[in-house]
Amino acid sequence: DAGVIQSPRHEVTEMGQEVTLRCKPISGHNSLFWYRQTMMRGLELLIYFNNNVPIDDSGMPEDRFSAKMPNASFSTLKIQPSEPRDSAVYFCASRASGGAADTQYFGPGTRLTVL
Amino acid sequence: TQLLEQSPQFLSIQEGENLTVYCNSSSVFSSLQWYRQEPGEGPVLLVTVVTGGEVKKLKRLTFQFGDARKDSSLHITAAQPGDTGLYLCAGGPTGAQKLVFGQGTRLTINP
Repeated sequence: DAGVIQSPRHEVTEMGQEVTLRCKPISGHNSLFWYRQTMMRGLELLIYFNNNVPIDDSGMPEDRFSAKMPNASFSTLKIQPSEPRDSAVYFCASRASGGAADTQYFGPGTRLTVL
Repeated sequence: TQLLEQSPQFLSIQEGENLTVYCNSSSVFSSLQWYRQEPGEGPVLLVTVVTGGEVKKLKRLTFQFGDARKDSSLHITAAQPGDTGLYLCAGGPTGAQKLVFGQGTRLTINP
């Protein structure tokens, strides 16, 4: 199994530009999570989906952030317009079932730098 | 909002020493997990504990869930350089499907 796949691995952009991060979860997993990690705030949950449906987006910082999951094998996190404070490592994770005690498998992350 | 506080935030010790990392909350969690993260990679699950007072061992690592399910500890015996990394605890609030993560403990084991 290839694990969770994220692209790109690194993204450098200028303030005001649109950024799209991509995630392919592990095949057969029903839940998908988007996290953001910074030194100051640690690992924060942005949004999660069950069976392609957004369940909780309370962690999305503001309207500049949006996430979609058009099918079971693909999700995107979009930032428009991007700002320097959005610089962070963004992780996607997937899980086989709906229980919090079940294992989340994380991708390698996308390191975003907004200049 | 349920929070998990980890201590210490940073720990640097010599190879062969023992150490304990703590994860505390004022809230009850139905489950608690420990993850390890290495530079440039995502967190990887080490263990899940679900019962108050539960103890699990993974080679030289011992994990304990508090009796009241509000806290947990990770004890490493005879630490090795390969144990270096960021250790994260994560709690599953009762009835919730998502996890709450602690800030992490950055552990460095010096040869």
